[in-house]
Amino acid sequence: GENVEQHPSTLSVQEGDSAVIKCTYSDSASNYFPWYKQELGKGPQLIIDIRSNVGEKKDQRIAVTLNKTAKHFSLHITETQPEDSAVYFCAASRGSQGGKLIFGQGTELSVKP
Amino acid sequence: DAGVIQSPRHEVTEMGQEVTLRCKPISGHNSLFWYRQTMMRGLELLIYFNNNVPIDDSGMPEDRFSAKMPNASFSTLKIQPSEPRDSAVYFCASRPHPDRSYEQYFGPGTRLTVT
Repeated sequence: GENVEQHPSTLSVQEGDSAVIKCTYSDSASNYFPWYKQELGKGPQLIIDIRSNVGEKKDQRIAVTLNKTAKHFSLHITETQPEDSAVYFCAASRGSQGGKLIFGQGTELSVKP
Repeated sequence: DAGVIQSPRHEVTEMGQEVTLRCKPISGHNSLFWYRQTMMRGLELLIYFNNNVPIDDSGMPEDRFSAKMPNASFSTLKIQPSEPRDSAVYFCASRPHPDRSYEQYFGPGTRLTVT
């Protein structure tokens, strides 16, 4: 069935450094790839997303890249800050066809001051 | 808008009892999703509705779980009878029509503990 693999499971960086999280997906029909940030005790919150007709998207310090041929996509956070510490999830779906999200296992990011 | 509203936020119950989780989606959204989050299995979709109609319930673990959406502003997830392995955080999410956006908005979750 559909599967999304996410790496690494934990990531520790120094404040100001960059952080990269990578995901691969199995369903070649997937066309929508969101990234969610989950803080302790809260629900996941969308931070950036990308559709399959775009290779890269940027929003201030965060960016996502997509390689459809290789079926992988990555989240890049630059100039990390302590408030970036959280669990990050990637997901994939056939966006226009119902919207069922298949999530990766999550990455716990820790930004040390 | 208040966002997706879930109740209760915390539920502690004994094995064998019936549990009902509630969700109010964002007004105007067409789709509603129920997810379960555990350490072992991560975030997994249980069921989703489009325009109040169940579309995919393949993630519902077994017959003890049932979900309803009687109208566009309310949904329930019921577990009867509950078991300790049902302990998890249950999230509800809603989404507008896909012509507008694919983004799913998550509620704060219900933490369920079955003893």
